[in-house]
Amino acid sequence: EPEVTQTPSHQVTQMGQEVILRCVPISNHLYFYWYRQILGQKVEFLVSFYNNEISEKSEIFDDQFSVERPDGSNFTLKIRSTKLEDSAMYFCASRITGGGQANYGYTFGSGTRLTVV
Amino acid sequence: DAKTTQPTSMDCAEGRAANLPCNHSTISGNEYVYWYRQIHSQGPQYIIHGLKNNETNEMASLIITEDRKSNTLILPHATLRDTAVYYCIVRPSNSGYALNFGKGTSLLVTP
Repeated sequence: EPEVTQTPSHQVTQMGQEVILRCVPISNHLYFYWYRQILGQKVEFLVSFYNNEISEKSEIFDDQFSVERPDGSNFTLKIRSTKLEDSAMYFCASRITGGGQANYGYTFGSGTRLTVV
Repeated sequence: DAKTTQPTSMDCAEGRAANLPCNHSTISGNEYVYWYRQIHSQGPQYIIHGLKNNETNEMASLIITEDRKSNTLILPHATLRDTAVYYCIVRPSNSGYALNFGKGTSLLVTP
C-alpha cells in the first residue's frame, strides 16, 4: 500500500535554528498538508498546498513557517528561528483528488518528532 | 464545519463490537462524516467516511441516522490493536479543506 514518507523521524535542534522537515507524498496525490501535534494535545492543521501554492493555512502558520515542493516529489516544511514551543510531532499528509470529490481519505505519514532545546 | 461531540473515552472487551458514537446536529447537506484514528502518536489513519448512506469496509461500518445528526462507528470484532483515539470529523465535500481534529474518543480494548 502506498505510503507518505517523512524524514527524519526525530530531529533535535537548538532554539533559533532553522529546520526543514521533509515529506514524500504518494505519487499521484494532488493535495498536501502539514499538521502538528504538541505532546498531549490535539492534532492541529498548519497548511494545505495545491498546484504549487498554499490553498489554506491556519493562524499557527505565521511568517516563521514556509512550505515548498522543490522537485515534484518532495514536500517540505521550513521553520525559521525555532522556538521552544515549536517542539511537537509534525505530520505530513496527502490526498489524491480535488474537484468536489470527497471519496478519498487523507494518508498521513508517521511524523517527525521535533525537539527544540 | 459542523461541530462534533464524542465521548471522551470508552472501553471494549476484545472480540466484542466497539460502537463509537458521534453527534453532529448542525451538519449541513454537503458535509461528509469522516472517521480517523490515531494509535499512540502515530499519524492519523483513515477509517471510513459517508454522506447519508451506511457504509462498510474492511475496517469498520458507519451507521448514519436518517436525520444525519449523529452516527456510529462500529468495529465489529475489536482487537487489542484497535486501542487508539478515534476522531469523528465533519467536513464539506469540497476538496482541499483541512481536517479539524477534536479531542476524539479514547478507545481501550481490554483482554
